[in-house]
Amino acid sequence: AQKVTQAQTEISVVEKEDVTLDCVYETRDTTYYLFWYKQPPSGELVFLIRRNSFDEQNEISGRYSWNFQKSTSSFNFTITASQVVDSAVYFCALVGYSGNTPLVFGKGTRLSVIA
Amino acid sequence: GAVVSQHPSWVICKSGTSVKIECRSLDFQATTMFWYRQFPKQSLMLMATSNEGSKATYEQGVEKDKFLINHASLTLSTLTVTSAHPEDSSFYICSALDRSYNEQFFGPGTRLTVL
Repeated sequence: AQKVTQAQTEISVVEKEDVTLDCVYETRDTTYYLFWYKQPPSGELVFLIRRNSFDEQNEISGRYSWNFQKSTSSFNFTITASQVVDSAVYFCALVGYSGNTPLVFGKGTRLSVIA
Repeated sequence: GAVVSQHPSWVICKSGTSVKIECRSLDFQATTMFWYRQFPKQSLMLMATSNEGSKATYEQGVEKDKFLINHASLTLSTLTVTSAHPEDSSFYICSALDRSYNEQFFGPGTRLTVL
């Protein structure tokens, strides 16, 4: 069975602070994909990243960075110099490498960035 | 990335009526689509897997006679909520699987309110 745990339900930070959203996963698959999505108040899921289990290199995209540690089954997401527009719910998700099964989502972390 | 649309984006209906939600893959063929439901402040929960030309597979606890799924073409799956009740009010999101790349793309969601 697959499971994604996002232990932080809500986080509140002041603008320009850095914030890290935690994601821990469980899977018996040896190969799999991990995702992060942003869900603003409008509700539409915004794709942020897909990472396959072969690639443990950290990734940086602008103010966003991701730290994948297979040894601890974690895929954490850091926003540097947070902005009010970053306020949203962030979901971590997992799917087997075939990709043809539904994504398993964590419960999400609600991030509030205060000006 | 590929585009998935949903129609309508929001709908308000009276209790006891039926509502149809469409999920379309606009620039690729999707033999498999997934339907999720998201209640306020909760994560996405898989309702069913829709396969073109065959019966949908429903998750435990989801009534197949209440949530009718039809996947009649390679680009369209529909979810009909029959005899809707206020407890069916939710955000319904579909995803479509592009087998060429084994990637899933999410629609923008449909917000259903049953009065």
